[in-house]
Amino acid sequence: GENVEQHPSTLSVQEGDSAVIKCTYSDSASNYFPWYKQELGKRPQLIIDIRSNVGEKKDQRIAVTLNKTAKHFSLHITETQPEDSAVYFCAASKGGSYIPTFGRGTSLIVHP
Amino acid sequence: SAVISQKPSRDICQRGTSLTIQCQVDSQVTMMFWYRQQPGQSLTLIATANQGSEATYESGFVIDKFPISRPNLTFSTLTVSNMSPEDSSIYLCSVPRVAGSYNEQFFGPGTRLTVL
Repeated sequence: GENVEQHPSTLSVQEGDSAVIKCTYSDSASNYFPWYKQELGKRPQLIIDIRSNVGEKKDQRIAVTLNKTAKHFSLHITETQPEDSAVYFCAASKGGSYIPTFGRGTSLIVHP
Repeated sequence: SAVISQKPSRDICQRGTSLTIQCQVDSQVTMMFWYRQQPGQSLTLIATANQGSEATYESGFVIDKFPISRPNLTFSTLTVSNMSPEDSSIYLCSVPRVAGSYNEQFFGPGTRLTVL
């Protein structure tokens, strides 16, 4: 089955800095890569996703990149703010009928 | 997006007892999913709840420990049986954000379980 590795497990940055979270996947058939944000005590929520037919996707201060050849994808957050502090999960899926496999999560701490 | 509620939101239970967690969705969905999130860990799929048939369990999870009911298209329950402290986790139900596609999971608020 699919295996998703996520690094780092903890990331501490100063407000205004950029943050990058990296994930690798094992199944070359995976073609959908969502990112979830889980604030303390709340449910995980989808914040951005990317499909295998594109290499990069942006939404305001967040962006995702995908390298299919190397089987890795990354989340980039620019101009970080304290409200970005949360646990971020990457995931990979082979398509509509497949349930995503999640990474272990990255705890992002943004210091004011 | 669907509105999902879970009951209870949290509970503290004694070793050896059982707890049933309810998940209610405001619209009919074919599939519902149950996840476990152990402290500081990722989201691990326990089982897929199918309406009208037995749940499909992932490797490492068995029906005797985590019996699931799915009496209709808007409701499901997960029971954690004969609990031990290792069962202390957050349990989340989820539904697909888009009908027919399991890619995007929409999660309920979770049930935080502590077993003493």
